[in-house]
Amino acid sequence: AQTVTQSQPEMSVQEAETVTLSCTYDTSESDYYLFWYKQPPSRQMILVIRQEAYKQQNATENRFSVNFQKAAKSFSLKISDSQLGDAAMYFCAYRSRNYGQNFVFGPGTRLSVLP
Amino acid sequence: DVKVTQSSRYLVKRTGEKVFLECVQDMDHENMFWYRQDPGLGLRLIYFSYDVKMKEKGDIPEGYSVSREKKERFSLILESASTNQTSMYLCASLAELSNQPQHFGDGTRLSIL
Repeated sequence: AQTVTQSQPEMSVQEAETVTLSCTYDTSESDYYLFWYKQPPSRQMILVIRQEAYKQQNATENRFSVNFQKAAKSFSLKISDSQLGDAAMYFCAYRSRNYGQNFVFGPGTRLSVLP
Repeated sequence: DVKVTQSSRYLVKRTGEKVFLECVQDMDHENMFWYRQDPGLGLRLIYFSYDVKMKEKGDIPEGYSVSREKKERFSLILESASTNQTSMYLCASLAELSNQPQHFGDGTRLSIL
């Protein structure tokens, strides 16, 4: 079974600085999807960014980018120019391309943004 | 935009009660999910459904059941609530395409006294 690990339960960053959240996963599959979700204090989980494993190019969405290292099974999220609104729980998630519809989530990282 | 609506944001029930959590999505998604969220454990899948009247057990189905009589609605049932079921419950829906993200509701904070 696949597992997702987020080794940083809590992180903090100064406003306007850059922070990187780590995520590693374990799988024997070669084709899959990876996601970062954000859950602000209002609680609705929203998608931040996604990566398809067969694409070598790292995904980017405005201030959010990933460093996808397939061989190392690593999928870190970089937030540039951090804003107060970036404060949230961040979850890394894995989804197999071939087997079922289920997602596997990591335990989450709570990010605080300091003014 | 996809909207996933959970019927209650906060719910307080007593041990032994039968509890219903309701979830409705408006995008005609085939797949719907119920998760439980606890600190340090992330989201754990309770049940999911890939079609009307179809369901699959997730990682922690014990003490729960589900119902999907209509495509847009997915209900989670706690047959006899216990204090260890106090948690945040999240509903999600998902289109059929495999590269799509799940869309989540606001969550229900359930307390069992």
